[in-house]
Amino acid sequence: SQELEQSPQSLIVQEGKNLTINCTSSKTLYGLYWYKQKYGEGLIFLMMLQKGGEEKSHEKITAKLDEKKQQSSLHITASQPSHAGIYLCGADIVSGNTPLVFGKGTRLSVIA
Amino acid sequence: EAQVTQNPRYLITVTGKKLTVTCSQNMNHEYMSWYRQDPGLGLRQIYYSMNVEVTDKGDVPEGYKVSRKEKRNFPLILESPSPNQTSLYFCASSLIGTGSSYEQYFGPGTRLTVT
Repeated sequence: SQELEQSPQSLIVQEGKNLTINCTSSKTLYGLYWYKQKYGEGLIFLMMLQKGGEEKSHEKITAKLDEKKQQSSLHITASQPSHAGIYLCGADIVSGNTPLVFGKGTRLSVIA
Repeated sequence: EAQVTQNPRYLITVTGKKLTVTCSQNMNHEYMSWYRQDPGLGLRQIYYSMNVEVTDKGDVPEGYKVSRKEKRNFPLILESPSPNQTSLYFCASSLIGTGSSYEQYFGPGTRLTVT
């Protein structure tokens, strides 16, 4: 069973619009990571969240981890073509240094 | 520059011909891992290693072998590749602490095609 559910699976937005991607777990998240992947290429680290209620921003991308630490959202403000790609959330779902599990990804397209 | 390198980046091979994909990191990370990425299935972990000489199976270990003789290297071995192992493979590494989460650094990927 998929331990991390991402939604939506794909998203097409017009340039300049805002968008949100969600990552939900049935278990407590001890660390939540957001990565971006250009099609067929490697993963680029965006942000890591650990504390319930934590929020981090980088340029026009903001990520939050809810208080219960079971859901995270990634919000992009005023989307640009450079934001296009696949966004993946990864998480530690067991306390300690255990392997990450990943969601299936959200494919984002930004059209002019 | 801190990085994870993989070689080769692209490989086309035939069924049954043994191959090795190398992975090396220069960050003195203890933890290393291999993933495969397939359309509709996302990233799935093949094997991981918490430290030298310590390896464990991930979600999809069948048909793969790994070794961790040195801290910096974590090769992925396909003894007898089959077409269902055609995929995009990623190596990753991270620093292990106690009770904390650390960013995983990913290699650029190896696109393998088995005919």
